[in-house]
Amino acid sequence: DIQMTQSPSSLSASVGDRVTITCRASQTISSYLNWYQKKPGKAPKLLIYAASSLQSGVPSRFSGSGSGTDFTLTITSLQPEDFASYYCQQSYSLPFTFGPGTRVDIK
Amino acid sequence: QLQLQESGPGLVKPSETLSLTCTVSGGSIRSNNYFWGWIRQPPGKGLEWIGSIYYNGLTDDNPSLKSRVTMSVDTSKSQFSLKLSSVTAADTAMYFCARQGQSGSLYGSHDSWGQGILVTVSS
Repeated sequence: DIQMTQSPSSLSASVGDRVTITCRASQTISSYLNWYQKKPGKAPKLLIYAASSLQSGVPSRFSGSGSGTDFTLTITSLQPEDFASYYCQQSYSLPFTFGPGTRVDIK
Repeated sequence: QLQLQESGPGLVKPSETLSLTCTVSGGSIRSNNYFWGWIRQPPGKGLEWIGSIYYNGLTDDNPSLKSRVTMSVDTSKSQFSLKLSSVTAADTAMYFCARQGQSGSLYGSHDSWGQGILVTVSS
């Protein structure tokens, strides 16, 4: 199985901050990397697919980059509704696997 | 707008079989472009992909679940189902059903989700 790691595991930030979350795959996954936002008691929400494609309806302050093994999710100006956990997921090979998550909370 | 809704027992005894159904509305389960998947999240832990099924019955599942998974689809009811056998406390989790991209850049991504159902394994 492809192992996914994320850093940091958690971070504290303020509204308006630029936030960057990193995801690394244990082997190359081309651009088969997706990002989700997860709030407690809610279903995950797809933010970014294929490493850098913005899902319909997702604000443009979210962006993704990377290919191969190293990927980044960036939130350019953190909004109150962005405080949540973020997960990366590889869809290069089965079984699909998720990273352990990054929790973003209020400083 | 596509909607998915999980249903099933919220409490299952150890060693028994967990059975969940996902009902799809607002779109066709017979789409060529999507699989229909199951993902779970144990309390306080991360997300785990369980498996997925195509409308024709083709399935993929996670080997980590050691062949305990059975999935089926009923296109006449726009439903797909998950059975997980020989459950233990480690199977306690929020279970989500989701639409899973089948091809192209959306391959393997999950763009629509049910609200989730908490299943507790306890005697």
